[in-house]
Amino acid sequence: NAGVTQTPKFQVLKTGQSMTLQCAQDMNHEYMSWYRQDPGMGLRLIHYSVGAGITDQGEVPNGYNVSRSTTEDFPLRLLSAAPSQTSVYFCASSYFRVPTEAFFGQGTRLTVV
Amino acid sequence: QKEVEQDPGPLSVPEGAIVSLNCTYSNSAFQYFMWYRQYSRKGPELLMYTYSSGNKEDGRFTAQVDKSSKYISLFIRDSQPSDSATYLCAMSNNAGGTSYGKLTFGQGTILTVHP
Repeated sequence: NAGVTQTPKFQVLKTGQSMTLQCAQDMNHEYMSWYRQDPGMGLRLIHYSVGAGITDQGEVPNGYNVSRSTTEDFPLRLLSAAPSQTSVYFCASSYFRVPTEAFFGQGTRLTVV
Repeated sequence: QKEVEQDPGPLSVPEGAIVSLNCTYSNSAFQYFMWYRQYSRKGPELLMYTYSSGNKEDGRFTAQVDKSSKYISLFIRDSQPSDSATYLCAMSNNAGGTSYGKLTFGQGTILTVHP
């Protein structure tokens, strides 16, 4: 059972480039979300989805897009990378009615130069 | 002001010590209170959770929630070097709709237990 899989694990981008962070889960969870983790800031919610075709913004959505075409996949797109988007990104999934246990991926370390 | 406040530490204790980790919050709608543990360069993993007020014990770990004070705690007894990690508190409400599964995290406390 793979759980939540994120790719890539590391990425370096130049300012202005775009890219997609991939997230896939095999637990049939309805709820998926993206967080960024910065020193001293904890985990901040970027976007989330409660099911295929339904997404919404979190606390820090600017500069990011998401879509949810299947239950399993929830990609995060950076439209035009900026140095302020240098961070560690985590994808998480959970059962919709069980908010207490979110399963996290291993993270993607992104550096924008 | 953040909805959830957590002292980032770092906290360094000798092996065998009792560790106390705390969070305060401002949103009275929070009903679910969780503690996640995150080892270096890994994703967070759920350690334990409590619904509403009260205590919950799991081995060496005890979680307490005081909703009247908007204050939650995690106690670790007989701490071990393997407990060295970042501990994140997280909270969620049961307001229904699309907000149901959203988690709000504290900043995380870095804990080191030295032999």
